[in-house]
Amino acid sequence: SQQGEEDPQALSIQEGENATMNCSYKTSINNLQWYRQNSGRGLVHLILIRSNEREKHSGRLRVTLDTSKKSSSLLITASRAADTASYFCATADDKIIFGKGTRLHILP
Amino acid sequence: DSGVTQTPKHLITATGQRVTLRCSPRSGDLSVYWYQQSLDQGLQFLIQYYNGEERAKGNILERFSAQQFPDLHSELNLSSLELGDSALYFCASSDSGRYAGELFFGEGSRLTVL
Repeated sequence: SQQGEEDPQALSIQEGENATMNCSYKTSINNLQWYRQNSGRGLVHLILIRSNEREKHSGRLRVTLDTSKKSSSLLITASRAADTASYFCATADDKIIFGKGTRLHILP
Repeated sequence: DSGVTQTPKHLITATGQRVTLRCSPRSGDLSVYWYQQSLDQGLQFLIQYYNGEERAKGNILERFSAQQFPDLHSELNLSSLELGDSALYFCASSDSGRYAGELFFGEGSRLTVL
């Protein structure tokens, strides 16, 4: 069964705009991770945020975590065509469970 | 290159058959995870091994089995295959045990059951 649920399922934005994806989950977690997948390829880890952290940055990525609301968001700033991909959140406790992902399409 | 190797990359077989997917984790990683990705079910966690022992189990069917060998490579065995087993099977490795950190994914094995 899925733990995380990403929202929206799909997102199209213009190059240069910011993209925000949300993830909600149901049970307690040790950490939450975001991954990227280019079509049919293996997933690539983007960022990990621990349950006692509220915000984390990595380059153009900003992740927030609200454990009281059981939700996280991933912000990609100044989007580029190369950011077109599917993005998944994964909740980690004794298992690592992925959501169904958000398909992000950056329009040139 | 993640350092995780999966073979075969593509596999076409018939219903009722049995296949074995192989995964070599990143050097030094003790944990291996198996996931199934299909269009309608998303990325489903199947099973995790840590240093040769089963650590966590997900939505793995009884027709499927896995093991991790002393050299840390892992195999996922799928038997009595059904059309619905057609999917992309990913292996991932991690250097963490109970609470996993970053997963490194292989490029997957695409299974087509005809």
